[in-house]
Amino acid sequence: GNSVTQMEGPVTLSEEAFLTINCTYTATGYPSLFWYVQYPGEGLQLLLKATKADDKGSNKGFEATYRKETTSFHLEKGSVQVSDSAVYFCALMGSGGSNYKLTFGKGTLLTVNP
Amino acid sequence: SQTIHQWPATLVQPVGSPLSLECTVEGTSNPNLYWYRQAAGRGLQLLFYSVGIGQISSEVPQNLSASRPQDRQFILSSKKLLLSDSGFYLCAWSGGTNQPQHFGDGTRLSIL
Repeated sequence: GNSVTQMEGPVTLSEEAFLTINCTYTATGYPSLFWYVQYPGEGLQLLLKATKADDKGSNKGFEATYRKETTSFHLEKGSVQVSDSAVYFCALMGSGGSNYKLTFGKGTLLTVNP
Repeated sequence: SQTIHQWPATLVQPVGSPLSLECTVEGTSNPNLYWYRQAAGRGLQLLFYSVGIGQISSEVPQNLSASRPQDRQFILSSKKLLLSDSGFYLCAWSGGTNQPQHFGDGTRLSIL
């Protein structure tokens, strides 16, 4: 079945540091890939997505590139802010019979200190 | 624009009591609807999804059930809560298959 593995946190950075959160996946066919962000006490918000190989999703300074050869979708940001502190989830939506369902990683807690 | 509402935001219930959590979506028609549970320190687990009124698919056998009495209403229920039902419950909608899912703010359920 489909699965997502993301680096387990917590990750603690200083403001303006470079962020990478690794995400790799296992899936058959051609899944779509997503990053969601969850701020404390809230639901999940879609951060960015990519639907085919070599697509780059971007939003709010965050980027991730769909790499089929390495089955990866790593999240990056060049300069983090305190307001980026949250839990980040990598997810995939399978193709074919599982194209209704999101499979999530376990989440990575990011804390950015001033 | 589309919005999704979940209530209540927090709920404390005794073991053995019933449960009803409600989710409604505005600004779209015939959405796919989902219920997820997020246990502490873990990812999200899909519990139920629905592609239309009265159509419910269960992903995980458990103490919970779901119903969709109206196009944009999705209800999560239990007749008798267990301690293991504690968690953060999230409702989500999407415009169809292969579409991103959009989440509500969640309900934090504590069972005593």
